[in-house]
Amino acid sequence: QKEVEQNSGPLSVPEGAIASLNCTYSDRVSQSFFWYRQYSGKSPELIMSIYSNGDKEDGRFTAQLNKASQYVSLLIRDSQPSDSATYLCAVSYNQGGKLIFGQGTELSVKP
Amino acid sequence: EAQVTQNPRYLITVTGKKLTVTCSQNMNHEYMSWYRQDPGLGLRQIYYSMNVEVTDKGDVPEGYKVSRKEKRNFPLILESPSPNQTSLYFCASSLTAPWVHSLSGANVLTFGAGSRLTVL
Repeated sequence: QKEVEQNSGPLSVPEGAIASLNCTYSDRVSQSFFWYRQYSGKSPELIMSIYSNGDKEDGRFTAQLNKASQYVSLLIRDSQPSDSATYLCAVSYNQGGKLIFGQGTELSVKP
Repeated sequence: EAQVTQNPRYLITVTGKKLTVTCSQNMNHEYMSWYRQDPGLGLRQIYYSMNVEVTDKGDVPEGYKVSRKEKRNFPLILESPSPNQTSLYFCASSLTAPWVHSLSGANVLTFGAGSRLTVL
């Protein structure tokens, strides 16, 4: 059973701090990795995708992928109260054709 | 506007009464998928479709059926709903399958607004 694991949180950080969200996955042949954000009562929306080892930056967001250690993380710099949401890690597997989501980490940014 | 439309958004029904949740996308996407979201369990894939007449099971297909007769539509059918199917359901689509690398974002899922289903 392929798995994607996230800390459920809630993770609480003060405004302006760096929020670090982590995700581990079980299958070494994983192909694509995604971070989605879901506000309460809303549908998920993509923040970032990453395919290669290393860092990928987009504005205040940085995704980090380490395939050898089977983890992917999301850093949010200068966190804002508007970043308060649940963050979903998703991993796609070429074998079996699936996209599997973690259970999500709830982030709360306090003013 | 490019979107995925689900209906109904909210439904309360009783055990055993067949129901269909419709999903339609206007982006000519090939890949479509249904997920259910339950507290503490995240999004779990029910069924997905690579194209017209091509469907396959996800991780939790029991009790559900789907069809893909047209590219734009991917209805989710509950033949005999039970209380354990009470959940929040999301339909999603993308131009290509999520596992196909794409620098243009063709493999990124667009989600519908969700359908909250309660089975009594």
